[in-house]
Amino acid sequence: GAVVSQHPSWVICKSGTSVKIECRSLDFQATTMFWYRQFPKQSLMLMATSNEGSKATYEQGVEKDKFLINHASLTLSTLTVTSAHPEDSSFYICSASRGATEAFFGQGTRLTVV
Amino acid sequence: GDSVTQMEGPVTLSEEAFLTINCTYTATGYPSLFWYVQYPGEGLQLLLKATKADDKGSNKGFEATYRKETTSFHLEKGSVQVSDSAVYFCALRDSSNYKLTFGKGTLLTVNP
Repeated sequence: GAVVSQHPSWVICKSGTSVKIECRSLDFQATTMFWYRQFPKQSLMLMATSNEGSKATYEQGVEKDKFLINHASLTLSTLTVTSAHPEDSSFYICSASRGATEAFFGQGTRLTVV
Repeated sequence: GDSVTQMEGPVTLSEEAFLTINCTYTATGYPSLFWYVQYPGEGLQLLLKATKADDKGSNKGFEATYRKETTSFHLEKGSVQVSDSAVYFCALRDSSNYKLTFGKGTLLTVNP
């Protein structure tokens, strides 16, 4: 299957700083990328959907000014957690798809805010 | 809206035991159905899928059949291995916007 690379795999940052997470589709062009958040022992919560060249569509309850998503090209989407706080600590996962094809997932990023 | 309900775990089995993880869904339209597996500290990997009613998805000894009449997509494996220990997620994909809706996940532990 196609490969989606997410970077970094884990990051620790100080409260109040911003963190950027990258999601790349390595061998295909992803028209749509999805960002999920996963709490310990829980399911994945869809945060937003991003299409290349347009603004991301956020799910209800997700702060768009807090979680900035950019989908600048068909192979790269970024999630920036701005002014991070301990409650933002979580496992963030991206997925990429091309039209109706299945979604391929990155390996996830463990964010810890101290 | 769309929703997925799957059997709550954790599930603990001995090696070579039979596995069933139940999954039912509610959706409008004609969704595709998936099972994903997540190993500790990793992202999700697609295990199998079915795109229309009566389709059977299969991979690595796992099987699931898309049952429209019972809105179910139960995961089965005849003989589990220790290496199957992971969290399993049932999911559906909306045919109109390709969004995935996940169940809560089921932790499977297989003991030798």
